[in-house]
Amino acid sequence: ETGVTQSPTHLIKTRGQQVTLRCSSQSGHNTVSWYQQALGQGPQFIFQYYREEENGRGNFPPRFSGLQFPNYSSELNVNALELDDSALYLCASSMGLADYEQYFGPGTRLTVT
Amino acid sequence: SQQGEEDPQALSIQEGENATMNCSYKTSINNLQWYRQNSGRGLVHLILIRSNEREKHSGRLRVTLDTSKKSSSLLITASRAADTASYFCATDDNNNYGQNFVFGPGTRLSVLP
Repeated sequence: ETGVTQSPTHLIKTRGQQVTLRCSSQSGHNTVSWYQQALGQGPQFIFQYYREEENGRGNFPPRFSGLQFPNYSSELNVNALELDDSALYLCASSMGLADYEQYFGPGTRLTVT
Repeated sequence: SQQGEEDPQALSIQEGENATMNCSYKTSINNLQWYRQNSGRGLVHLILIRSNEREKHSGRLRVTLDTSKKSSSLLITASRAADTASYFCATDDNNNYGQNFVFGPGTRLSVLP
């Protein structure tokens, strides 16, 4: 078990709704990355936050947005949910940007109906 | 963008045998990491190997990196039923630390008792 926690564990939403997922990073980590993992596939990088600033973004539309707070916890917000947004959402924290392993949380399983 | 691709997609072996998984990527990297995922849960970091390293060991795990061939391999020796999981390689863009952390689709390993 890592020190990274995510909430909620499972979530069911309706198409068009909005959702907020939360992540608490491991103590001492200032970097949080978010990933989307569809069933049977590898995680896809959504974006990364470093010291409260977005540091990079993958190929996801603007309706995917995020925040990092002064305590380095983070939120992922998704607006106008689509059926294809159904996936496991993973957050990972690390001590910095380069050459650091990422510690993953258990994930939030989002189902959009 | 660069991408790690694991090979094979699935591997089934008997307990006690060795398992070898391969990863190929497309562009220069800062480091390459291997992760394990059990049944739709969070990923567990196994080994990080930097671009100037050729081989690393951790317990029953051995990772090699060949930057000239843009490939890496993960060897699990004396496999156990508990090693049954999906294994992913992930690469970090050499020019943009942390901005583009890319996972491959994974190798699903089954270790039969």
